[in-house]
Amino acid sequence: GDSVTQMEGPVTLSEEAFLTINCTYTATGYPSLFWYVQYPGEGLQLLLKATKADDKGSNKGFEATYRKETTSFHLEKGSVQVSDSAVYFCALRWGGATNKLIFGTGTLLAVQP
Amino acid sequence: GEEVAQTPKHLVRGEGQKAKLYCAPIKGHSYVFWYQQVLKNEFKFLISFQNENVFDETGMPKERFSAKCLPNSPCSLEIQATKLEDSAVYFCASSQYTGQGRNYGYTFGSGTRLTVV
Repeated sequence: GDSVTQMEGPVTLSEEAFLTINCTYTATGYPSLFWYVQYPGEGLQLLLKATKADDKGSNKGFEATYRKETTSFHLEKGSVQVSDSAVYFCALRWGGATNKLIFGTGTLLAVQP
Repeated sequence: GEEVAQTPKHLVRGEGQKAKLYCAPIKGHSYVFWYQQVLKNEFKFLISFQNENVFDETGMPKERFSAKCLPNSPCSLEIQATKLEDSAVYFCASSQYTGQGRNYGYTFGSGTRLTVV
């Protein structure tokens, strides 16, 4: 079945460091891909998305490119801030019969001043 | 409104008691989804609705869990005879219609934390 695999955390970085969180997926067809962020004690917020191969989603300095050939959607940011500390979830959605989001296990990012 | 409203924020129940959670989706969104977040991170899909109709219930533990989305009322998720293992944060999300090739993200509520003691 469809699934999402994320790198295990926690990821600990110093402020202004470069961030990469790896995400790969397994799916039939061509799903849409998402990154969600969950700040402590809060719900999920959509960070960015891509709906087809080679699309690049971007928001708040974060970017991810839909790579069909490697079935990946890695999250990157050039310079992280303490306020980026949160749990990041990669997810896919296949708009067919199920129509549900399938999540990865989440990656905790801790940014230190 | 433009947010998914979940109530209550916190709910404490003794083992064996009933728990009922509510979710008001964004107006105009056709789909409603319930997820259970356990073990701090893992999200488990429970059930989805297309308007008031069950769309996908493959994640529901049917013997104790039930859910409804009735017209002009908040959606609800009910757990009969709660167990310790039901302790989790329950998230509701809503989404616009997903036509072919047009996949929208979800908008999530802030969740209901259920603690079974």
